[in-house]
Order: sequence, then structure tokens, then C-alpha cells
Amino acid sequence: ETGVTQTPRHLVMGMTNKKSLKCEQHLGHNAMYWYKQSAKKPLELMFVYNFKEQTENNSVPSRFSPECPNSSHLFLHLHTLQPEDSALYLCASSQDGQRINYGYTFGSGTRLTVV
Amino acid sequence: RKEVEQDPGPFNVPEGATVAFNCTYSNSASQSFFWYRQDCRKEPKLLMSVYSSGNEDGRFTAQLNRASQYISLLIRDSKLSDSATYLCVVAFTGGFKTIFGAGTRLFVKA
Repeated sequence: ETGVTQTPRHLVMGMTNKKSLKCEQHLGHNAMYWYKQSAKKPLELMFVYNFKEQTENNSVPSRFSPECPNSSHLFLHLHTLQPEDSALYLCASSQDGQRINYGYTFGSGTRLTVV
Repeated sequence: RKEVEQDPGPFNVPEGATVAFNCTYSNSASQSFFWYRQDCRKEPKLLMSVYSSGNEDGRFTAQLNRASQYISLLIRDSKLSDSATYLCVVAFTGGFKTIFGAGTRLFVKA
């Protein structure tokens, strides 16, 4: 596989459920990101990992918990979400989180619906 | 003032038309600039980086004006397949901070 792969593509979960989103990149990049995209809003940065270390937590509620076991894999653990958390969750990677000269490569996203 | 502002559109243009989008940014410390394209219900994809001297990629031309703090994207000879949302992106080197604009919708009609 090439690029950035996200699973699942679609997820419907109840407010009391626990689920995880998975992201894997095959580009040899060292930085990975979680973004949230709600309808008619700009992409919102949630978390940044550079060389497996979390370098940014953009005031994200604790019901979202990231995990980065290595430079190629990134998870977003979800629990007790709210309906307003329904959105497209995008994973991205870049060569180096410090220098973003070459932009990001995004995964195809997980469309999350909280019921 | 938003950190990155774009006209949301939509821009409705006929095939073959030339269309231009502008994007303004508020932080003069911005280092890197990009245009991304996002199709409906798909992920954003890098269209082109924007360099100080301006750059061209086929029908697409990007310009940066640091003094006025805006970037632009010009699309010549529009195709139906150019219909998408175009996102302006501003990044700060060393700060892990990248700001996305809300996007400009483009519809190209036959």
C-alpha cells in the first residue's frame, strides 16, 4: 500500500461506546497529525506527533485520546463522545513536523457519526 | 480577524474561463504557503506550493505577496474536473502550526 491509509472509512457510534480510528502511512514521514473537519468549517488541528513524540494538543477534549506507537502508525481513541463530535476525521503525515515545506499528505478520512 | 481568510464563493464559471482566488493571512511570520484541492466528501490533496517568486503548474499559477499578506491561485482554461473546493494553507516553520482556510467553492459548468 502507498500513501496514508485510514480505517474505518465510516463509523457510527453511540455516546457510551469506545472506538478507535487507525492511520498508517507508507511514505517514510516522521510527523503525523489528526485533523477534524466539520461541515462548512476549516480543518481544525487536533494533535501532532513528530518522531513519535506528541508536540501539539490543540485544546482537544479528553474524550479524544491519541496514540502513536511508531512513526508509521497513529490512533485516535474515542470514548463518551457527543453528537457535536460528528465530523470527518483526517489523518495526515509530513516529512518533518518542524519544516512543512512540502505540505501534508492526507488519508481519505473517517466519517464519524455520533448518535 | 481570522488567521486565514478566503472568499467562500461559490464561483460559477463556464468551461474555458479564467478564474482567480485570493487568500489573506494575518501573521507576517508565516513561512510556507500551499493550495490544496478538496473534492466533495474526499480528503484534501496538495495542488501546489506557493513560492515568493510565483510558480506555475500547467493551467495553474500561484502568487505570493508578502507585503500585502495574500496568496492567489489563477486557473486558466477551466475544465469541468476543476470543480472542487480550494483550500489556502499557511504554515509556520518550527511551530508545528498550519492554518487552513475554510475554502473557496468552484463550479465549472459546461
